[in-house]
Amino acid sequence: NAGVMQNPRHLVRRRGQEARLRCSPMKGHSHVYWYRQLPEEGLKFMVYLQKENIIDESGMPKERFSAEFPKEGPSILRIQQVVRGDSAAYFCASSPLRRDNEQFFGPGTRLTVL
Amino acid sequence: GNSVTQMEGPVTLSEEAFLTINCTYTATGYPSLFWYVQYPGEGLQLLLKATKADDKGSNKGFEATYRKETTSFHLEKGSVQVSDSAVYFCALSDGDYKLSFGAGTTVTVRA
Repeated sequence: NAGVMQNPRHLVRRRGQEARLRCSPMKGHSHVYWYRQLPEEGLKFMVYLQKENIIDESGMPKERFSAEFPKEGPSILRIQQVVRGDSAAYFCASSPLRRDNEQFFGPGTRLTVL
Repeated sequence: GNSVTQMEGPVTLSEEAFLTINCTYTATGYPSLFWYVQYPGEGLQLLLKATKADDKGSNKGFEATYRKETTSFHLEKGSVQVSDSAVYFCALSDGDYKLSFGAGTTVTVRA
């Protein structure tokens, strides 16, 4: 059973470009969570999605960031007009149930903004 | 709000040494506590967890006890191996899906 997959693993963007991060949850998991880890900090919750629904985006910056989890295909975290402060590791996790505390994590995407 | 503070790294040990990684937390209510491990090139994996005070989580020789009086959940292993080299994250959940993580501690075990 394949684990949570994220791609790309490393992404380099120049300021002002767009970044698209993809996450494929584990088979049978319909709940997806995105976390961000800034340098020297712990992972911080960004957004929780189910298929075609954003359940909680309280951790998302108000501008330039968006997330989706379409009926078909991976979940996408999109960052428009990236700035240097967006450089971080972005982790995706999935779970089969909403209140199941065990979230299964992907290897992360490391975004570097030049 | 919830927060987790864990011992800064990096930590370098010799094989068969004793490992302790300190973790303390701040939370309202009665959170569940977790240790996750990230091996090089892989995602975070749940190592162990405890859901109430005085519970002890254990897995792969690692142990941690949920101490409400000291708001701590220190990770210990009596005899580490080279294969234990990884980044260890302490985390909590106050009952919903949001996990709050510490900054991670990098552990390197030398043969």
